[in-house]
Amino acid sequence: KAGVTQTPRYLIKTRGQQVTLSCSPISGHRSVSWYQQTPGQGLQFLFEYFSETQRNKGNFPGRFSGRQFSNSRSEMNVSTLELGDSALYLCASRGTAKDTQYFGPGTRLTVL
Amino acid sequence: SQQGEEDPQALSIQEGENATMNCSYKTSINNLQWYRQNSGRGLVHLILIRSNEREKHSGRLRVTLDTSKKSSSLLITASRAADTASYFCATDAPHTGRRALTFGSGTRLQVQP
Repeated sequence: KAGVTQTPRYLIKTRGQQVTLSCSPISGHRSVSWYQQTPGQGLQFLFEYFSETQRNKGNFPGRFSGRQFSNSRSEMNVSTLELGDSALYLCASRGTAKDTQYFGPGTRLTVL
Repeated sequence: SQQGEEDPQALSIQEGENATMNCSYKTSINNLQWYRQNSGRGLVHLILIRSNEREKHSGRLRVTLDTSKKSSSLLITASRAADTASYFCATDAPHTGRRALTFGSGTRLQVQP
């Protein structure tokens, strides 16, 4: 099976802009989670989607949002970008009734 | 916020030696997972140990879990230069929902050839 894929791999934006990141889970996986990784805060959970519904949300402002499509692909959106949003954004997928989360290669977002 | 801390923060060893990393966490858990990350890339799943298990093996990896001490250790035996990476523990805790992993701060392992 192909692994989790994320696009784009690298992104440069300026403050105030918005950005959309995409994640395609492993075939058959219906759960997609998003994580942010920064040197200061480490790896932090953003949100999780299952069957197009957000099931769980981390402690992030409303500028961070996401959605999931019927084919389980997910997008996350960050509006009004701030310098502190510069991070590696990781997507993970999980099979039904399974505990292991499989991560994609990440999208490196730089906000100037 | 971080669930706990990993110890040591950095570890440098010679090829062939064993590497041991420790992870502590704060709350009760469903399971604990170990991941490897190479140079800011994606996380590679290594091993999962459930709260009712005490030890698990996978190839050169050995993981222990002590729920009374809220700690886990990852042992990599006969290390190789290719094992150079950051290693993270992640807990799946009831209070966060089964799908939100809480990560430790990571251990940076350098294996010298």
